Amino acid sequence: DGGITQSPKYLFRKEGQNVTLSCEQNLNHDAMYWYRQDPGQGLRLIYYSQIVNDFQKGDIAEGYSVSREKKESFPLTVTSAQKNPTAFYLCASRAGAQDGYGYTFGSGTRLTVV
Amino acid sequence: GQSLEQPSEVTAVEGAIVQINCTYQTSGFYGLSWYQQHDGGAPTFLSYNALDGLEETGRFSSFLSRSDSYGYLLLQELQMKDSASYFCAVTPNTGFQKLVFGTGTRLLVSP
Repeated sequence: DGGITQSPKYLFRKEGQNVTLSCEQNLNHDAMYWYRQDPGQGLRLIYYSQIVNDFQKGDIAEGYSVSREKKESFPLTVTSAQKNPTAFYLCASRAGAQDGYGYTFGSGTRLTVV
Repeated sequence: GQSLEQPSEVTAVEGAIVQINCTYQTSGFYGLSWYQQHDGGAPTFLSYNALDGLEETGRFSSFLSRSDSYGYLLLQELQMKDSASYFCAVTPNTGFQKLVFGTGTRLLVSP
């Protein structure tokens, strides 16, 4: 079955460490997105990518970095510059360029700073 | 910019009908979407309104009024499994298409 796979499901990071969250899709979707969700809040856009080797900052990109070397993969690195990284991270993709195509989300990675 | 406001929580009983409102302030957008998210899970796409009016998909219906800057999700014949958070979202019509989400409404369905 097609879908988005995020790994790991839970991740613990020490202060000062960089960590990378994996996002892989086999839906053949061009557009991919990373969102952050804090408890009881909506989703905020971190980065997005329309095509391979191209990505753009979202609303809260500071302290994060991404790459898009393959259509299927859009990993997110949470750097030590991100001061409050504890959150639920969701990766998504969309089938078409026209609005109205629903986003498909992965099951998320819950990151905790220890 | 874009701002979408929703009630933080709504409660209802099984079999009832509930309406979740979404009021927005945005400079322009293509359409209004609704997503459902169970605790700890992935959001799933429910519906989309490009035009004013009502869209019906089974027990769920969604409504948009651009003149009133308002939309809602209507859930009928509520079931316990409908207990979840519901988010409205818009795609601004400037720049690359990306979803901007509302604050979310937690729906609690009781027996």
